[in-house]
Amino acid sequence: KNQVEQSPQSLIILEGKNCTLQCNYTVSPFSNLRWYKQDTGRGPVSLTIMTFSENTKSNGRYTATLDADTKQSSLHITASQLSDSASYICVVSPYGSASKIIFGSGTRLSIRP
Amino acid sequence: KAGVTQTPRYLIKTRGQQVTLSCSPISGHRSVSWYQQTPGQGLQFLFEYFSETQRNKGNFPGRFSGRQFSNSRSEMNVSTLELGDSALYLCASSYDRGQLRTEAFFGQGTRLTVV
Repeated sequence: KNQVEQSPQSLIILEGKNCTLQCNYTVSPFSNLRWYKQDTGRGPVSLTIMTFSENTKSNGRYTATLDADTKQSSLHITASQLSDSASYICVVSPYGSASKIIFGSGTRLSIRP
Repeated sequence: KAGVTQTPRYLIKTRGQQVTLSCSPISGHRSVSWYQQTPGQGLQFLFEYFSETQRNKGNFPGRFSGRQFSNSRSEMNVSTLELGDSALYLCASSYDRGQLRTEAFFGQGTRLTVV
C-alpha cells in the first residue's frame, strides 16, 4: 500500500533557529515529491517539487532533499521566522497515476519569538 | 495571472441538505482535482476532472459528485449532508498536456460546516 509518513507530528522552535522535517514514503515508482506549506484555514502552497532523479531543491530558506534509495525526503528550514508557523505537507505522485497523489499527514510547525 | 478561485469561502448547512462548491482553475489549466481535508483524516483525494470528464476518483460515497464545464471550471456537489462532511474542501488545478504534468496549485478552499 502506498503511504507517506511524516515526522515529527508537531514541532516548536525559537525564531531564528533551523529545523528539519522528515518524510518517508513507500510509493514506488513515483513521479515526483512535493513539499507544501499550509497556513491554517488556507490552501497549501507549493515550496518545492522534485523528480526521482533530483537530490535537492531550494526555495529561499527552504531546502528539500530526496534519497530515492531509502525513500526519504527532508525539508530543512533555515533561520526560521514567525511566518514559517504552518503545517508542512509532503506529497508523492505515483508514476503513471499523477492525479492520485498521496498526502502525508503533515508536520505542524510553531515558531516562538 | 489569477490563482485558483474557490467559492464560497465559508458555508454552513444543515444535515440532509445538499451543497455545491465552485472552483475556477488557473487560466490554461485543464485538470481540476478536489480534496477533502479534516483534522482527523488529513487531505484526501475526491476526484479529478480533465476536459469535462472524470479521470480519477477517490474512495468517497456516491453522495459526492462533480462536473467540469467547457471552460474548465468545476463544481462539486455533496447531497444528503452528514455531520462528518464538515471539512475544508480544496480544489487544485494543473496544466496537463499529455504526459506532461506540472505541480498542482491549490485554491484557498471552502470551509463547509454541517450542523
